[in-house]
Order: sequence, then C-alpha cells, then structure tokens
Amino acid sequence: KAGVTQTPRYLIKTRGQQVTLSCSPISGHRSVSWYQQTPGQGLQFLFEYFSETQRNKGNFPGRFSGRQFSNSRSEMNVSTLELGDSALYLCASSLAFGAVWNEQFFGPGTRLTVL
Amino acid sequence: QKEVEQDPGPLSVPEGAIVSLNCTYSNSAFQYFMWYRQYSRKGPELLMYTYSSGNKEDGRFTAQVDKSSKYISLFIRDSQPSDSATYLCAMRSASGTSYGKLTFGQGTILTVHP
Repeated sequence: KAGVTQTPRYLIKTRGQQVTLSCSPISGHRSVSWYQQTPGQGLQFLFEYFSETQRNKGNFPGRFSGRQFSNSRSEMNVSTLELGDSALYLCASSLAFGAVWNEQFFGPGTRLTVL
Repeated sequence: QKEVEQDPGPLSVPEGAIVSLNCTYSNSAFQYFMWYRQYSRKGPELLMYTYSSGNKEDGRFTAQVDKSSKYISLFIRDSQPSDSATYLCAMRSASGTSYGKLTFGQGTILTVHP
C-alpha cells in the first residue's frame, strides 16, 4: 500500500512569490492535515481538511491556505513568501475525521527554502 | 510558554543503554499521548500512543503517562544504533473540533553510538 506522497520534495522561492504544495493521501484516507516544521518552533499544525472542508485551523496568518479535492488530494498555498516561511511542510493523512482514535500517517515533506 | 515542552537534547548514549525521553504539558484537555520517531529526511512515524494515564509496553519501548503531573515519558531499553533519530511527543484532545490537531513537543535528537 503506497504511503502519503508529497510533491515537490524540494523547492526554492524568493520573497514575495507564492507557492503551492501538493499531497496525495493513502488510498482510502479522507482526512488530510498539514504541519510546518522548523528548527526553532518544531512541528506546528496548519490546518485539517475532510470532505473538501476545512475542519480545523492552527494559528498561522491568512497567507497560508489550503484546499482538498473530491479525491481527497490536498494542496496548500503560501502567498507573499517571507524568509521565515522556510521550513519542512508535512502532510499527514488519516482515515476519517472525528473518530475517537485516528492515526495520522505522515509524508516525507516538502522542503521549502525562501531566499 | 508552549503547551508542550520537550528537552531538545541532543542526547548521546552508548549502545545497550536505557534511554529516557520526557515531555511536560499544560493543557488538561489532552487525552491522547503519542510518541513519533523521525529519521533524517523522513516524515514522523508513530511509535506508540496511550489514552489517558497509564503505561504501555511494546517490545523495547515503554510509554508512561501521568496526567496528574502532566508528564509523559518514553523509555527505550537496550538501545541500538538504529534508534538514532529525533523523538517527538505529541498530544491531542478527544472532543470538540480538535480531533486532528496534534500538538508536538520540540523533539529530542537521540544518537546511540556503537
């Protein structure tokens, strides 16, 4: 069974640009969560999508947005990039939303560097 | 102050040692407590999870949760060089709208040398 895939794996952008990252969940999984990982702040929750609807959101500015498609694939977008947005962006998929226990499976991440 | 505090280390131990990793937290709504392992250039993978207080053992790994002290631990017995990784504690509540939101500790970098 294929795991969570994220594309691209590496990305270099300049300040002010925007970027779109993609995540394909494990087959059959319908919930996708996004996290940002930096050396200073660690892993921080960005948002969660289920059935094409954002169900949960972390404390990030509005420049960070996401969406989910009918096939459960998800994208996140960061507009007007800042140097501080350089990070590893991780996507995690799980079977459903709202279950008592719901293991999240992480992808390898997209390493974004903002110059 | 962060909701979850974890000593980032780094921690270096000889092969065969017992390793103790710990996290403290402040949010009493947390009910699920997890330990993830992350190898370099990989995403985190779930090692163990515990619901509420108590102990859980899986092979060389033991997870402990003390909700009264808001303190969780992971013990690794007979540590191996292949255990060298970053270990992250994570927590979430069990109700409301926060099902999918995991709150992570900073992660502890562990090196087990032969």
